[in-house]
Amino acid sequence: DVKVTQSSRYLVKRTGEKVFLECVQDMDHENMFWYRQDPGLGLRLIYFSYDVKMKEKGDIPEGYSVSREKKERFSLILESASTNQTSMYLCASSSGGPLAIYFGEGSWLTVV
Amino acid sequence: QKEVEQNSGPLSVPEGAIASLNCTYSDRVSQSFFWYRQYSGKSPELIMSIYSNGDKEDGRFTAQLNKASQYVSLLIRDSQPSDSATYLCAVKAGANNLFFGTGTRLTVIP
Repeated sequence: DVKVTQSSRYLVKRTGEKVFLECVQDMDHENMFWYRQDPGLGLRLIYFSYDVKMKEKGDIPEGYSVSREKKERFSLILESASTNQTSMYLCASSSGGPLAIYFGEGSWLTVV
Repeated sequence: QKEVEQNSGPLSVPEGAIASLNCTYSDRVSQSFFWYRQYSGKSPELIMSIYSNGDKEDGRFTAQLNKASQYVSLLIRDSQPSDSATYLCAVKAGANNLFFGTGTRLTVIP
């Protein structure tokens, strides 16, 4: 089974703090993704990476950055957290091509 | 026009009935089609994938694809209360372009 692990499940951060969300996958997948999910807005792609040290902007990259130093690990960084970044963040991975992506359990972030 | 459209529901069916969930997409070069189930407060879980026209069955689930009509559906037979969840349709066009619908909320009434 594909395993995508998000180390932080529930976080509460203050406005202006730097936030790191970590994601690790154990299936040697080339592609990794970060989404956020908000009620009524569905899943929105923030960034994805198709190889180590490679990244591409998704639909809503503003206020976020990512890091992929190793194939199995993809980090999402909020440089200066704001209240409108309160959301559920989902990491996913895939082996590319026509195949599906698999999600981690999600990280619930509240910015106060 | 949104790439993937689903009726947001809620869709309510009695236990034991067939639940029918529908999805339309706009990109004619779409190659792969997926259904994810998401329980409240949880992450999406892949339940079905379909790549060619026709039906694909897996247990109580059947995915149907009609590329000419740009339509994909999910049928759940003998619906159970545990099937109550939001079902997300996803369409892939190219290696990394995966588009999600906003989901249909299904409630199975005991």
